[in-house]
Amino acid sequence: QVQLVQSGAEVKKPGASVKVSCKASADTFIGYYIHWVRQAPGQGLEWMGRIYPNSGGTNYAQKFQGRVTMTRDTSINIAYMDLSSLTSDDTAVYYCARSLVAVRNYYGLDVWGQGTTVSVSS
Amino acid sequence: DIKMTQSPSSVSASVGDRVTFTCRASQDISSWLAWYQQKPGTVPKLLIYGASNLQRGVPSRFSGSGSGTDFTLTISSLQPEDFATYYCQQANSFPFTFGGGTKVEIK
Repeated sequence: QVQLVQSGAEVKKPGASVKVSCKASADTFIGYYIHWVRQAPGQGLEWMGRIYPNSGGTNYAQKFQGRVTMTRDTSINIAYMDLSSLTSDDTAVYYCARSLVAVRNYYGLDVWGQGTTVSVSS
Repeated sequence: DIKMTQSPSSVSASVGDRVTFTCRASQDISSWLAWYQQKPGTVPKLLIYGASNLQRGVPSRFSGSGSGTDFTLTISSLQPEDFATYYCQQANSFPFTFGGGTKVEIK
């Protein structure tokens, strides 16, 4: 069964950084993008960006440019999302999810990680 | 950024009802749209991709249609397990924005 397994909950102080991991299967790393989506308490879904693990290429939402870094370690099939300069507005559940690499269609985010709660509080 | 507007923001319906809600893009996104279902405390689940293609394992009572700027998600006969929030997402251009969601509540 395909799974994305994320790291555990984090509590951070304002101004700190957080690094969330997402472990995938080997075939996910080859043929899929890994996206990061967050959801603040009681709010909707917000797309942050994606990484193509095969090449390391990234696309970030402008809102997070300069604060987010998405990387991967292909030797252990783990993708990472690093978010810096945290404020209370960054308190949210952070999800990784995958989408098939395709040119002519968007196949959606078909497998999601279980979510990682990041709480930012002084 | 492309703005995705879902309406209504909530709807009350009964088991067995046919329910339709809409998602409007601020510019043409062709068919680069997906729909997700999220129940409280759970991970979003992909229902529809490419605007009208049913994800494997999703019941056939769900259907999607539309292209360009206007899209709909229809549940032909609402079941108890369908009470949830539904989100659309465009993937025509970065950032891949989501709509604000439509919450389906029990009447």
